Amino acid sequence: DAKTTQPNSMESNEEEPVHLPCNHSTISGTDYIHWYRQLPSQGPEYVIHGLTSNVNNRMASLAIAEDRKSSTLILHRATLRDAAVYYCILLIYNQGGKLIFGQGTELSVKP
Amino acid sequence: GAVVSQHPSRVICKSGTSVKIECRSLDFQATTMFWYRQFPKQSLMLMATSNEGSKATYEQGVEKDKFLINHASLTLSTLTVTSAHPEDSSFYICSAGGGARGYTFGSGTRLTVV
Repeated sequence: DAKTTQPNSMESNEEEPVHLPCNHSTISGTDYIHWYRQLPSQGPEYVIHGLTSNVNNRMASLAIAEDRKSSTLILHRATLRDAAVYYCILLIYNQGGKLIFGQGTELSVKP
Repeated sequence: GAVVSQHPSRVICKSGTSVKIECRSLDFQATTMFWYRQFPKQSLMLMATSNEGSKATYEQGVEKDKFLINHASLTLSTLTVTSAHPEDSSFYICSAGGGARGYTFGSGTRLTVV
């Protein structure tokens, strides 16, 4: 079972920041938080991941709550190409590296 | 960066025949690969973990005799859908990697069984 909760859908305007929330209240200390996104008819694409500290890369930022029970993926300036389904996934330490996908958030970006 | 190549991208087969899908890690070695299935408007469902040189580990409810997985080298895993039926029509996706660069996914294989 997926161990994260995300809103089904979100809307954003082009060139504005987007904050995608994720709740993972059952997270344990060794579980990593991963984010992937999927465009229609394509395989998912890695976005970012973290453990405890906030993370930044060229695609996005990941803000992790102090208690680690929630996190937020931040796209600093949404573009039309960012329209996708975003998946927040816990990488469970003792489950052999499996990623178990939940339903994700479908992000639409309006010009 | 890490690249996973999946082939074919699309395949149509007749009911009762078998179809093989290949997943290759192009610039890294993968002792473990994962196979997913995705139906329209649904999320990815993990089918099995492919282990190089040993048997695959299947998720609950996935028939191992129907979905044969072979991981004979550090860069290649194959999924064979045996005796395919229309209900097996789906989008099949593999992944590999992990670590600092996260997991890399193939571009998927659209299987249509007629």
